Amino acid sequence: KAGVTQTPRYLIKTRGQQVTLSCSPISGHRSVSWYQQTPGQGLQFLFEYFSETQRNKGNFPGRFSGRQFSNSRSEMNVSTLELGDSALYLCASSGANYGYTFGSGTRLTVV
Amino acid sequence: DAKTTQPTSMDCAEGRAANLPCNHSTISGNEYVYWYRQIHSQGPQYIIHGLKNNETNEMASLIITEDRKSSTLILPHATLRDTAVYYCIVRANAGGTSYGKLTFGQGTILTVHP
Repeated sequence: KAGVTQTPRYLIKTRGQQVTLSCSPISGHRSVSWYQQTPGQGLQFLFEYFSETQRNKGNFPGRFSGRQFSNSRSEMNVSTLELGDSALYLCASSGANYGYTFGSGTRLTVV
Repeated sequence: DAKTTQPTSMDCAEGRAANLPCNHSTISGNEYVYWYRQIHSQGPQYIIHGLKNNETNEMASLIITEDRKSSTLILPHATLRDTAVYYCIVRANAGGTSYGKLTFGQGTILTVHP
């Protein structure tokens, strides 16, 4: 079956702009989580959505937001981009067995 | 989630077993031990998880000590493609702050040599 799909793979944005990243989970998976990975901070949890509701949230400013649609696809948005937002953004989907499958990520560069 | 401690790096010869240790001395009774790995610039890949019994799948074996304070991931015949960062994660599988959240530490950089 198809894995977790993230689009786009690469993105370059300018400071102050906003960006939207997309994640399509494995068919049948209702939970989608988002992570940020940077060399300095490693992998950090952003938030998790289940059945269109945010169930958990990490320690990130309000500029980071997300949503989930009825087909379980999810988007995350970062507004007013800062240089420090440059990172690999990963999403993971999970079904009933609590295992998490990650996508290949979106590499965001803020210039 | 309980904190885990892993060596920063390890080396292994191709074809030999790679044994990656993890300490999780504050693990709670309802917390599982998960192992993931990340090959450069890819998303983390699930390897195996367990509660208290030893587990084996097509990728690896997981040995958890009787007191559950430490565990070892075993790659029985390491190949060059097993070179990656390996993360040991402890988490409960239900409720509240656990939803969707895997707490990644710095992991162990495993380098497999020819």
